[in-house]
Amino acid sequence: KNEVEQSPQNLTAQEGEFITINCSYSVGISALHWLQQHPGGGIVSLFMLSSGKKKHGRLIATINIQEKHSSLHITASHPRDSAVYICAVRGFGEYGNKLVFGAGTILRVKS
Amino acid sequence: DAGITQSPRHKVTETGTPVTLRCHQTENHRYMYWYRQDPGHGLRLIHYSYGVKDTDKGEVSDGYSVSRSKTEDFLLTLESATSSQTSVYFCAVRDWNTGELFFGEGSRLTVL
Repeated sequence: KNEVEQSPQNLTAQEGEFITINCSYSVGISALHWLQQHPGGGIVSLFMLSSGKKKHGRLIATINIQEKHSSLHITASHPRDSAVYICAVRGFGEYGNKLVFGAGTILRVKS
Repeated sequence: DAGITQSPRHKVTETGTPVTLRCHQTENHRYMYWYRQDPGHGLRLIHYSYGVKDTDKGEVSDGYSVSRSKTEDFLLTLESATSSQTSVYFCAVRDWNTGELFFGEGSRLTVL
């Protein structure tokens, strides 16, 4: 079982819809990252969280440390949001040197 | 932006040949990482470095070696490439102060 589980694996939405992508993890973490990868493209860091909530434009990321769960929300989705969204967690101490990645959520937003 | 460049961006080679991928950064980040990305597996850590000449293995290190003789360069070497090493390779750095991650654009390697 992967230490980081994302859901859903695939998501198709209509333009304008509110989107939620979930990430659950099984270990104690020092930080959680949300990453975005467009088709054929590089990987961009969207958020790094250790507690609470962060917002950037139409994107909102939340984390619940007690429940070991994070969500990425996209409001007023647009076709340009179509990408793979990846959750990654970093542990403590020597395990903080490494990241454990989820398998990614493939999002397609139709116009 | 951490000023990360990977080279080459695309390479086709034959089984048994040596291959070296280079990751260059301009911001003096201490931590550097090499990942491979394959369909169905997501990103998997090959090796990482926490300083000049300080490296450690990741989860898929077999068949790969790394070197870091300068802060700015982290080299990934496939001593004898195999078809199973056909993949997209990403270099990343971590900002020690903020924890932020920055990725290179990726290097697509095809081993025939």
